[in-house]
This record gives sequence, structure tokens and C-alpha cells, in this order.
Amino acid sequence: DAGVTQSPTHLIKTRGQQVTLRCSPKSGHDTVSWYQQALGQGPQFIFQYYEEEERQRGNFPDRFSGHQFPNYSSELNVNALWLGDSALYLCASSWYLDGPYEQYFGPGTRLTVT
Amino acid sequence: GIQVEQSPPDLILQEGANSTLRCNFSDSVNNLQWFHQNPWGQLINLFYIPSGTKQNGRLSATTVATERYSLLYISSSQTTDSGVYFCAVEQYGNKLVFGAGTILRVKS
Repeated sequence: DAGVTQSPTHLIKTRGQQVTLRCSPKSGHDTVSWYQQALGQGPQFIFQYYEEEERQRGNFPDRFSGHQFPNYSSELNVNALWLGDSALYLCASSWYLDGPYEQYFGPGTRLTVT
Repeated sequence: GIQVEQSPPDLILQEGANSTLRCNFSDSVNNLQWFHQNPWGQLINLFYIPSGTKQNGRLSATTVATERYSLLYISSSQTTDSGVYFCAVEQYGNKLVFGAGTILRVKS
């Protein structure tokens, strides 16, 4: 049973560039949520996708956008990168309807903005 | 929004010692999970425990939903238990709100 996978593992970008991170949910799950974890802090909710639509959004600017594909995998896009976007980006998956359900996290993508 | 407070922020133990980590939350929740974050950043699921008590080997957890707290017990700690322990709660729609974590260091 495949768990949550994320790619790439590490990424280095320059201020002002754009980045795309990818996530494949645990087998059978239909919902993907993205979290940002700055150094020394707990993860913060960015947004959640179900049925290819954004269902909930945290307190993040429009520079953060996402997409979900018919196979339930998801992308996180960040435009006009700031130094402050340097963080570990975590993806979580679960089911959506008739919850709540236990959520499972991927290994993360560590983004460094220089 | 809901507030999640974890204590203590830091804990240093000698191998073999027992410990209790606490998570307080400010409102009613549908879900509560405990995670262990390893040095590479992976969040490992420990317990899904919106209420009641569960045990898994040397670890156990208790959530008293009516009093808005949860406890994680680690017995006979090992060096491999070192890392950051997070409590996360959900009020609705699969959105988890995390505490700031407890950093555990187990010395041999």
C-alpha cells in the first residue's frame, strides 16, 4: 500500500522565481491538503483540494495556488518567491466525505529561496 | 481560530525514563492526532484519538474531549524516540491546526 509521496525532495530557487511541488495521495484517498512548516514551528495549513476544487484555504496570499488532477494527485505552485517562503512543504491525504478521518503526511519538499 | 498549546516545549530524558507530553486546545474538536517528526522532516502518525485512551507498545495517549486536553505517554524512552512531537486538532473539513511541538531529547 503506497503512502503519500512528494517530489522533489529538495529545491533551491531565487527570489522572484516560480516553483511547482507535487504530491500523490495514499492509495484510496481522494483529498489532498498542503501545509507549510517554517523552521522551528508547527505546520500551517495552506489549502485543501477535493474533486479538483479548492475546498478550504488558510491565511496565505494568492501567490500560493494549487491544482488537483483526476487521479487525485496535486500540485502546489508558488509565484514571485520571497525569502520567507523558505520552508518544508508537506502534503497530507485523507478521505473527504463523512469524516473526520486520520490524515497521513508525505516526506515533504524542502524549499530554499536565495 | 482554535488555539493549540503543547507543553513542555523542551524535554531532556535519560534513556529508560518515562515522560508525559500535554496538548491543550481552546475549543471542541472532531479529531486529534499525535505525530512524531523525525530529523528528516517526516511526520509519523502515532495516534488518531479524538477521545478515549489508546496504547501502542511503549506509547499511549489519552484525550479528554470535554476538558479539552490530550496526553501522550512515553515509557522506557529510547534514543530513537528523540525528535519533535506534535499535537494537531481538526474542527471541520480535514483542516489540521498544529501546536508548536515538544522537542524531546533522549540521552544514552
